[in-house]
Amino acid sequence: SSELTQGPAVSVALGQTVRITCQGDSLRAYYASWYRQKPGQAPILVIYGRNNRPSGIPDRFSGSSSGDTASLTITGAQAEDEADYYCDSRDNIGNYVFGNGTKVTVL
Amino acid sequence: QITLKESGPTLVKPTQTLTLTCTFSEFSFSMSGVGVAWIRQPPGKALEWLAVIYWDYDKLYTPSLKSRLTITKDTSKNQVVLTMTDMDPVDTATYYCARRRYDSGSYFFDYWGQGTLVTVSS
Repeated sequence: SSELTQGPAVSVALGQTVRITCQGDSLRAYYASWYRQKPGQAPILVIYGRNNRPSGIPDRFSGSSSGDTASLTITGAQAEDEADYYCDSRDNIGNYVFGNGTKVTVL
Repeated sequence: QITLKESGPTLVKPTQTLTLTCTFSEFSFSMSGVGVAWIRQPPGKALEWLAVIYWDYDKLYTPSLKSRLTITKDTSKNQVVLTMTDMDPVDTATYYCARRRYDSGSYFFDYWGQGTLVTVSS
């Protein structure tokens, strides 16, 4: 079982804003990184650190953190953002772990 | 352009040992802080950390599989090899290798291979 908990699914209307959360006690000490995975494809990094985007990732993706929860926000969701999203960080004893994933549907 | 590519058998029998190779290009283990990791994903399920090896030979394994995993690197060939013993049908998954890096207070995977599907069946 994952030490990082994500909601299983969320839907968002085209052009609207959606926030995906990742919860775990270890997030009080460690940043999460975030990945987008489309069906049949490898994941890609979208956010790392406090709120950093790799080159090529649109600025509609942003990250934040408060207490034991890290969040990924998509402001102005596009059809191509429909995917599974995973957080990645450490558990309470320092092992690396992924969240269980959140499926984002763009309506 | 940084690339990683997984290679190995697509089908293994139960109890056999799986050996996967990750061959990468346009970066090297001479870069401080760089690592290469293995991650797997059973069909329809979430990503799962397996193991990582860093530039300084430091290694980490996921606790639940630690007894079955070995990760090594060949710096001269730009390769990382993962072996997993005693394979079982529940180990059927797509296996990815990815570059691990540290920046801005965070570790992350910034480049991934395309993945290779390994099926465990007799």
